Amino acid sequence: DTAVSQTPKYLVTQMGNDKSIKCEQNLGHDTMYWYKQDSKKFLKIMFSYNNKELIINETVPNRFSPKSPDKAHLNLHINSLELGDSAVYFCASSLQRGARTGELFFGEGSRLTVL
Amino acid sequence: TQLLEQSPQFLSIQEGENLTVYCNSSSVFSSLQWYRQEPGEGPVLLVTVVTGGEVKKLKRLTFQFGDARKDSSLHITAAQPGDTGLYLCAAPVNYGGSQGNLIFGKGTKLSVKP
Repeated sequence: DTAVSQTPKYLVTQMGNDKSIKCEQNLGHDTMYWYKQDSKKFLKIMFSYNNKELIINETVPNRFSPKSPDKAHLNLHINSLELGDSAVYFCASSLQRGARTGELFFGEGSRLTVL
Repeated sequence: TQLLEQSPQFLSIQEGENLTVYCNSSSVFSSLQWYRQEPGEGPVLLVTVVTGGEVKKLKRLTFQFGDARKDSSLHITAAQPGDTGLYLCAAPVNYGGSQGNLIFGKGTKLSVKP
């Protein structure tokens, strides 16, 4: 039974399109995240969502919008896709957030390719 | 800006060799984590270190947190092909809108050849 699952695993689309990636966790965690991993394997946080509190990373373009229908789900919607959005997007969850942040549980990633 | 710098970026060794990878910063962290990521998968936590000078062992892997809590090292003894992967260090940030979130180093890509 997968702890953090995200769909789709692969996504190929044209520039200018809008796409969504879904994420679900069955760990009962309060905090969920979206990370972007570029071609050089650098993992960069995009958003965290803790009990209905959305923390926006100021470097993320507003074309990216997370949506959390409940604490077990955190979806990522991307408008007007650009070539530079091509990357692997990881969803993660943790029991807590803060100075003693606990273990992050990651999904398997969603590889987005923008043509 | 708090950054985690990892070295070396790439490491290719033969089975049975020992190796050490490093994670350095100019910032002080309350804790530091090490993850391993295999191709096509998400990172998986190996260890969390919290106290300056702390040493933790996980089978053939030894993790150390620097006394000043600014750096960490991972030492692997008698490396096996199964140790192959991307090793990432991570620490919680304490500035701006990202406070409390984990930031990651750029990783060390380890390849252990039989």
